[in-house]
Amino acid sequence: DAGVTQSPTHLIKTRGQHVTLRCSPISGHKSVSWYQQVLGQGPQFIFQYYEKEERGRGNFPDRFSARQFPNYSSELNVNALLLGDSALYLCASSPTSGRSYNEQFFGPGTRLTVL
Amino acid sequence: KQEVTQIPAALSVPEGENLVLNCSFTDSAIYNLQWFRQDPGKGLTSLLLIQSSQREQTSGRLNASLDKSSGRSTLYIAASQPGDSATYLCAVRGAIQGAQKLVFGQGTRLTINP
Repeated sequence: DAGVTQSPTHLIKTRGQHVTLRCSPISGHKSVSWYQQVLGQGPQFIFQYYEKEERGRGNFPDRFSARQFPNYSSELNVNALLLGDSALYLCASSPTSGRSYNEQFFGPGTRLTVL
Repeated sequence: KQEVTQIPAALSVPEGENLVLNCSFTDSAIYNLQWFRQDPGKGLTSLLLIQSSQREQTSGRLNASLDKSSGRSTLYIAASQPGDSATYLCAVRGAIQGAQKLVFGQGTRLTINP
């Protein structure tokens, strides 16, 4: 079975631009979460979506938004990019039943560089 | 506010040694704790998940323990190999129903020397 997939792999943007990152969860997983990992730090929680509804939001500005589609894939949008938004953006999906209930499985990430 | 700390920040050991990585958290009201491995520039690979009602989990050469009352977890790696070199992260999920928010430590960067 395919794991969590994310696109693009790498992205270079300039300050003030907008970016959209995409995530496809493991088949059958209805929950998707987004994390930001700055170099040398642990990941920080941005959003969780379940059944297309936002279930949680971390301490990030309103420039960050997300949505989940009927097929459970998700997009993370960041407006008015700042240099400090440069990071690895990770997507995780989680089953809501079964042996791996509530275990989070991460994708390979999107490396965003803001110049 | 939950805070997760991992000590040491970096560890270098010769191949074949058994080793222990430490994780501590400030709020004992957790739902579960997960250990991950991260290779440079890559995503996270889930190693072990311990539910709050469990004391330990084992997978191959890995054993993770959980002591909620003291706010501690350890990851034991037996007979270490060069391929175990990576950053190891622990993360806790709070017990309050709602978002599946994981709070991560900063990780322990492990180097196994051949």
